[in-house]
Amino acid sequence: NAGVMQNPRHLVRRRGQEARLRCSPMKGHSHVYWYRQLPEEGLKFMVYLQKENIIDESGMPKERFSAEFPKEGPSILRIQQVVRGDSAAYFCASSPLPGDRGGTEAFFGQGTRLTVV
Amino acid sequence: LAKTTQPISMDSYEGQEVNITCSHNNIATNDYITWYQQFPSQGPRFIIQGYKTKVTNEVASLFIPADRKSSTLSLPRVSLSDTAVYYCLVGGTGGFKTIFGAGTRLFVKA
Repeated sequence: NAGVMQNPRHLVRRRGQEARLRCSPMKGHSHVYWYRQLPEEGLKFMVYLQKENIIDESGMPKERFSAEFPKEGPSILRIQQVVRGDSAAYFCASSPLPGDRGGTEAFFGQGTRLTVV
Repeated sequence: LAKTTQPISMDSYEGQEVNITCSHNNIATNDYITWYQQFPSQGPRFIIQGYKTKVTNEVASLFIPADRKSSTLSLPRVSLSDTAVYYCLVGGTGGFKTIFGAGTRLFVKA
């Protein structure tokens, strides 16, 4: 059973371009979470999705950022018109149970390191 | 969401037991306490989770006092490979919506 797969591992974009980050959850997991991590800082929650639904996007910036988790295929975190401040590591995690149920473990991917030049 | 406070860093030597304490004074009744480990350039890895008293697995032990306002992660006989950042999360979601915070950077020396 493969773990959470994120791609690409490294992504370089020029300012103003779009960045698309992909996350394939573990088999059987229908709950996905995205986090952003700046150097020397902890992870910050961005969004929680279930298949075809956004459950909680309270951590997402109001503009330029969007996320989806379609019925088929990976979850996508999309950043439009990237700026230098978007440079960070973006991690995806998945779980087999709803994120609001205590006692549930989340499994993390290796992350995508976005560099905006 | 319950806020957590951990030491910024800790040093240890190989073979020693390491205890990292996390304070979470406003923990809610249905909140679980979860600890993750993160190595550089990798995603966090689940270590242990508990609700009350003591939990033990093959990697660590988690001690939670009766008032649940703090918890202690205990790593027995650490090795150099245990050098990492350790995060304490508190939440009814298993901590998923919690801001991880800066965590505790553990340095294990030979």
